[in-house]
Amino acid sequence: GQNIDQPTEMTATEGAIVQINCTYQTSGFNGLFWYQQHAGEAPTFLSYNVLDGLEEKGRFSSFLSRSKGYSYLLLKELQMKDSASYLCAVRAPVVIKAAGNKLTFGGGTRVLVKP
Amino acid sequence: NAGVMQNPRHLVRRRGQEARLRCSPMKGHSHVYWYRQLPEEGLKFMVYLQKENIIDESGMPKERFSAEFPKEGPSILRIQQVVRGDSAAYFCASSKTSGRPAYEQYFGPGTRLTVT
Repeated sequence: GQNIDQPTEMTATEGAIVQINCTYQTSGFNGLFWYQQHAGEAPTFLSYNVLDGLEEKGRFSSFLSRSKGYSYLLLKELQMKDSASYLCAVRAPVVIKAAGNKLTFGGGTRVLVKP
Repeated sequence: NAGVMQNPRHLVRRRGQEARLRCSPMKGHSHVYWYRQLPEEGLKFMVYLQKENIIDESGMPKERFSAEFPKEGPSILRIQQVVRGDSAAYFCASSKTSGRPAYEQYFGPGTRLTVT
């Protein structure tokens, strides 16, 4: 089975840094994704990690530790427009044909950026 | 290059009616995924399709729900005899092929189904 946990809500101040943690317990693993979703809109891709370590992309960075079943998304220099839900998702291994490219999502973390 | 397209964006149905949700993947994408998002919850996988084939339907309710992706035309998610619990946002995503590097799924804007 798949179990993905992330905090429900976080609040931070404009210009600050926020770290959103995600822990997972899955029967297989072939990558972890972070998506951003503004209220009433589609999720948009932020990052993908399949190997251990830190991936940096502008103000956003994502870290993965496969041995610990742990990832985090780091948002720096927070802006008001960063207020959104952040979704952690694990991809099933492609060697299991039936699982294909299926993503299993956590419940999402709602981040509120205050002035 | 147009993104993933879904229609309608909003759909209202009375209990017992049928709902048909359409999804056109991005150009060049042959894999389609349907996800459901209940209010204040995360996305839940429903079904994964390639042209004319259902690859994985492990997330589909056993009754009333069906999906297809014909050789020509959009993918269709069909919900028969809708109930209030079906009210949710239904998102479609597409990807180029399974396996790397085509791992990224692009999401459509969603169809918000309201059952009255």
